[in-house]
Amino acid sequence: SQQGEEDPQALSIQEGENATMNCSYKTSINNLQWYRQNSGRGLVHLILIRSNEREKHSGRLRVTLDTSKKSSSLLITASRAADTASYFCATDPYNQGGKLIFGQGTELSVKP
Amino acid sequence: GAVVSQHPSRVICKSGTSVKIECRSLDFQATTMFWYRQFPKQSLMLMATSNEGSKATYEQGVEKDKFLINHASLTLSTLTVTSAHPEDSSFYICSARDWDEQFFGPGTRLTVL
Repeated sequence: SQQGEEDPQALSIQEGENATMNCSYKTSINNLQWYRQNSGRGLVHLILIRSNEREKHSGRLRVTLDTSKKSSSLLITASRAADTASYFCATDPYNQGGKLIFGQGTELSVKP
Repeated sequence: GAVVSQHPSRVICKSGTSVKIECRSLDFQATTMFWYRQFPKQSLMLMATSNEGSKATYEQGVEKDKFLINHASLTLSTLTVTSAHPEDSSFYICSARDWDEQFFGPGTRLTVL
């Protein structure tokens, strides 16, 4: 399969709690990106982390990257009901012409 | 950030007809664009890489004669689903690369009756 693995597949939390999603991939990468998708809508780019970076923050988002384990995590702190969406990681494999390979996604539900 | 548009946003067609979807980069030039397909409750699957001025590169299992891709200019790529069937009903999303970031179009929902 060209896809990476994400876990959990589904996550349900209460507003205010933190949400952590994990992503694993198979090949060497240039960078890894996280996207959000609301049901039936397009993708929203959240954050890009390069292969030489270990951690990156953007507002309530914190992304880590461990290239030795070929894994990444996305942490959303102080979640809100509006964070309810599907979250996908996507890798930019080294020497593959810039195409992105998407993980299977995590469906996050934040209950008010 | 850069903007990518898709047209149409939604199309319903009869089985056996062909449907053309356009993908445009509005404020930057893209020598490479990508086409993805997404079935309900699933992730995006890369279908092909569209290269300006040359043939598209298709992923394994994607029929190049069924999904025709043309990238005639630096801002426009088109995907034509030929002889569409109900199993081709899906959400088709294009993206264009600007430096190391990809920008995605809003998607086209195709329903084949």
